[in-house]
Amino acid sequence: AQTVTQSQPEMSVQEAETVTLSCTYDTSENNYYLFWYKQPPSRQMILVIRQEAYKQQNATENRFSVNFQKAAKSFSLKISDSQLGDTAMYFCAFTFSGSRLTFGEGTQLTVNP
Amino acid sequence: GAVVSQHPSWVICKSGTSVKIECRSLDFQATTMFWYRQFPKQSLMLMATSNEGSKATYEQGVEKDKFLINHASLTLSTLTVTSAHPEDSSFYICSARETVNTEAFFGQGTRLTVV
Repeated sequence: AQTVTQSQPEMSVQEAETVTLSCTYDTSENNYYLFWYKQPPSRQMILVIRQEAYKQQNATENRFSVNFQKAAKSFSLKISDSQLGDTAMYFCAFTFSGSRLTFGEGTQLTVNP
Repeated sequence: GAVVSQHPSWVICKSGTSVKIECRSLDFQATTMFWYRQFPKQSLMLMATSNEGSKATYEQGVEKDKFLINHASLTLSTLTVTSAHPEDSSFYICSARETVNTEAFFGQGTRLTVV
């Protein structure tokens, strides 16, 4: 069975600074996908970034980047130049071969002015 | 990204009545749709997976007779909460995926309150 663990229930960061959210996972699969989703107060789930396990290069989307360490089964999200609108719950998620998404417990990020 | 529309965004119903929630993929054909339930400050809990034209696969502990899921077309899935009770009050979210190798996109969610 696949598991996803987010060990930081809450985090805060000052506006314009950088923050890193942690995620580890456990799987015996070799080909899989990892995602970070953002859920703001509106509760709409928004895809932030995705990473294919077969790609060694870390995915980047503007201010968002990941540190994917396949051997360590680690998938952290770095948010640079944090903005007030980044305040949200962030979920790390895993899927393989069309299976369902497995979510972590979530990390509530607060960006302070 | 692709658009998934969920309706209604909130609903209040009386105990004992049934409520239907719709999930539509607006710009792609969703071969698979997922229904989740989310309690405050918690993660998403998968309730069931539905493939177009097939019976839904329910997760352990989810009552299939209480949470009826229909996926009659490639763009529409519905979740009907039958004989709703206050303990069914929650936030329900759907997601849709075009193929097994594409990411799932989420609807806006439905806040159900049973009084």
